Amino acid sequence: GAVVSQHPSWVICKSGTSVKIECRSLDFQATTMFWYRQFPKQSLMLMATSNEGSKATYEQGVEKDKFLINHASLTLSTLTVTSAHPEDSSFYICSAIETGHTEAFFGQGTRLTVV
Amino acid sequence: GQNIDQPTEMTATEGAIVQINCTYQTSGFNGLFWYQQHAGEAPTFLSYNVLDGLEEKGRFSSFLSRSKGYSYLLLKELQMKDSASYLCAVRDSNYQLIWGAGTKLIIKP
Repeated sequence: GAVVSQHPSWVICKSGTSVKIECRSLDFQATTMFWYRQFPKQSLMLMATSNEGSKATYEQGVEKDKFLINHASLTLSTLTVTSAHPEDSSFYICSAIETGHTEAFFGQGTRLTVV
Repeated sequence: GQNIDQPTEMTATEGAIVQINCTYQTSGFNGLFWYQQHAGEAPTFLSYNVLDGLEEKGRFSSFLSRSKGYSYLLLKELQMKDSASYLCAVRDSNYQLIWGAGTKLIIKP
């Protein structure tokens, strides 16, 4: 089946620094990728929809200047958490839809801890 | 290795009840999730189980048995809009999410 890989799996960073998380579709091309954040109550919140070659569409309440999304190729989307703070500590997950298809595949997630 | 199994496709009738099963073999267990995905749309969260038993949320319920490595998603009073793919995922001891391939549910009138 289709594989979506996130890197890194976990990261610890200092408050005030920026962290980049990569989401790669390994064996398919993905025009559309989604970025989620998982809150302590365990539900996933959709942060933004990323379309290759265009600006990401952010959900209401998500700061686009803080969570920078770049989808420069059909196999890679990146999420950069800028000026990270402890409250940004969370589990970030991406999913991708293969071009011309409708089924979404998830990455394994990235655990971010800001100290 | 780690593995999540769920049926590829199921068909049910509008107004009926359907149960989608998920069995898993993972390195540790830190919770099981169910997601719904309509074609071409972002998957949405349905439920989370970490303790054995049934979690009910409206027309949807999710059950977990950790000793059996088994979960099911129960959908009642099926509506046409429930036609979607349903994904099962388990969080392992490393906090990584292991995903099933998804079950495509087809609802017929």
